[in-house]
Amino acid sequence: EPEVTQTPSHQVTQMGQEVILRCVPISNHLYFYWYRQILGQKVEFLVSFYNNEISEKSEIFDDQFSVERPDGSNFTLKIRSTKLEDSAMYFCAGTYTTNEKLFFGSGTQLSVL
Amino acid sequence: GESVGLHLPTLSVQEGDNSIINCAYSNSASDYFIWYKQESGKGPQFIIDIRSNMDKRQGQRVTVLLNKTVKHLSLQIAATQPGDSAVYFCAESLGGNTPLVFGKGTRLSVIA
Repeated sequence: EPEVTQTPSHQVTQMGQEVILRCVPISNHLYFYWYRQILGQKVEFLVSFYNNEISEKSEIFDDQFSVERPDGSNFTLKIRSTKLEDSAMYFCAGTYTTNEKLFFGSGTQLSVL
Repeated sequence: GESVGLHLPTLSVQEGDNSIINCAYSNSASDYFIWYKQESGKGPQFIIDIRSNMDKRQGQRVTVLLNKTVKHLSLQIAATQPGDSAVYFCAESLGGNTPLVFGKGTRLSVIA
């Protein structure tokens, strides 16, 4: 069964540094999402992306965050200047059509020190 | 308000028994509902979904029930197995491309 692939699985960074989290969605998916999960808490929506532009974003997704699909394959989340409170598991997800189940990757655990 | 942190509601069941996990959703306009299973260190895995025009849907060993009157969603797992031990999240959306909004999660522990 096709999978959503995320790299790296763990990322440790210093506060103020830039990080890029990478995702390779399932090939026929058209709608892409980033979610995050702070340890022990619920999964929170960050941003949705379709047709090379952001469809919707949450309050969490401020000016420090950006997304890109640079080559039609990878889907990236960049955090420009990380803060301690950005420490979380970040999940990429995708779907072929709207109103259908999302397929999630296994996540990148980001630790900001 | 909501409680946050590590104190998830926990349901403990004997292997072979049926499990019922409940979820109260927040938005009466939500059109689509879904259950995910999350094992430690992994991403959410799809279990079953249901649209607002239905009140019951069955899958393999799982059934989702939707009660729109009281905004309640439940997941029933038949003959629970040790491999079912995980955190279970319900999620809702308004349909279309609107994002899924996840609930707090319930930890299911299966006692062998």
